[in-house]
Amino acid sequence: ETGVTQSPTHLIKTRGQQVTLRCSSQSGHNTVSWYQQALGQGPQFIFQYYREEENGRGNFPPRFSGLQFPNYSSELNVNALELDDSALYLCASSSQKQRNGELFFGEGSRLTVL
Amino acid sequence: AQSVTQLDSQVPVFEEAPVELRCNYSSSVSVYLFWYVQYPNQGLQLLLKYLSGSTLVKGINGFEAEFNKSQTSFHLRKPSVHISDTAEYFCAVSDSVFGNEKLTFGTGTRLTIIP
Repeated sequence: ETGVTQSPTHLIKTRGQQVTLRCSSQSGHNTVSWYQQALGQGPQFIFQYYREEENGRGNFPPRFSGLQFPNYSSELNVNALELDDSALYLCASSSQKQRNGELFFGEGSRLTVL
Repeated sequence: AQSVTQLDSQVPVFEEAPVELRCNYSSSVSVYLFWYVQYPNQGLQLLLKYLSGSTLVKGINGFEAEFNKSQTSFHLRKPSVHISDTAEYFCAVSDSVFGNEKLTFGTGTRLTIIP
């Protein structure tokens, strides 16, 4: 069983740039959620994708956008990067069939904005 | 709206001593409660969860937690900690467990085990 994988693991960008983060969900999982974890904080829900459509969004501006592909993998895009976007971005997958509340997290992509 | 409060940001404990990590929540709907652990430079791993039924739930690595509805708490306990338990622990709440969970996390408690 393949777990959740994220890429890249680390990256550095400058203010105003754009970034794309990628996530492959665990085998058999059709739902992908993205979380932002700032230093010293708990993860915060950004949005969730199910069947290639956004299925709920947290309190994040529109410059945070995403995609889900037919193979259930997903991308998180952030435009016009700000210093406060520096964080660990976590992807989590789940299945609408399992109904046991568990999310499976990847190891994250650490973004530094200079 | 849901929220989670983890009362202690850091907890130092001697090896083989017991530990309790505190978590309080607020929610206007039915709640499902979780504890996740994050080891250094890693993602989150589920320790245990309360969905329904018995209020005492047991998880991996010898941890357990008790759901107390009247006190809106879900404290995590372990009777004897090991060096390998050094990690960040997050309490989380969800209003759904149908595969579309959107978790609200607390700010975390850093557990440090002292040899």
